[in-house]
Amino acid sequence: IAGITQAPTSQILAAGRRMTLRCTQDMRHNAMYWYRQDLGLGLRLIHYSNTAGTTGKGEVPDGYSVSRANTDDFPLTLASAVPSQTSVYFCASRKGQGNTEAFFGQGTRLTVV
Amino acid sequence: GQQLNQSPQSMFIQEGEDVSMNCTSSSIFNTWLWYKQDPGEGPVLLIALYKAGELTSNGRLTAQFGITRKDSFLNISASIPSDVGIYFCAGQSIDRDDKIIFGKGTRLHILP
Repeated sequence: IAGITQAPTSQILAAGRRMTLRCTQDMRHNAMYWYRQDLGLGLRLIHYSNTAGTTGKGEVPDGYSVSRANTDDFPLTLASAVPSQTSVYFCASRKGQGNTEAFFGQGTRLTVV
Repeated sequence: GQQLNQSPQSMFIQEGEDVSMNCTSSSIFNTWLWYKQDPGEGPVLLIALYKAGELTSNGRLTAQFGITRKDSFLNISASIPSDVGIYFCAGQSIDRDDKIIFGKGTRLHILP
């Protein structure tokens, strides 16, 4: 079934550890996004990529990095996790810029202790 | 940065009632979107609006793109239990690299 897949679904991580959240889509979408969802704050954009090989900063990029080596994969890395990065992380993709629908993954629940 | 002000933050209604929520921004958007999120799931697109003044329906849902391009509303008529969830407005702007920016959400509760 075509779609967008995130892994892991949940993780408990010690502060200071490095962690990579994985996101893969098989829809050949050009644009991909990482959001974090926190109670009362909605979905905030962390980083995005409009096409393979390019990335951009969103609203809350600090402490996170991304790469887009190919069309399908858009991993999000926390170099040294801190408790304030405890959140639910959603990856999304869409065909391209302009008037196209964004599809979301199921989310990764990350707890930094 | 861009901010979307979505209200109300939460709503408690009786089944069968109509619901209205809205979103405003200090910035102009080229596209307004409304998403719904069920518990444990990612958001799913309900309605997309592409032109100022556009009024679009999807079943019991109706949404409008404000004429100033700085606001949008979503109405749900005759609410049913499966309408429970979090509703998000979102905006896209071509001159801001087409990023999708979300409001903080409206949590809809339906009383039995």
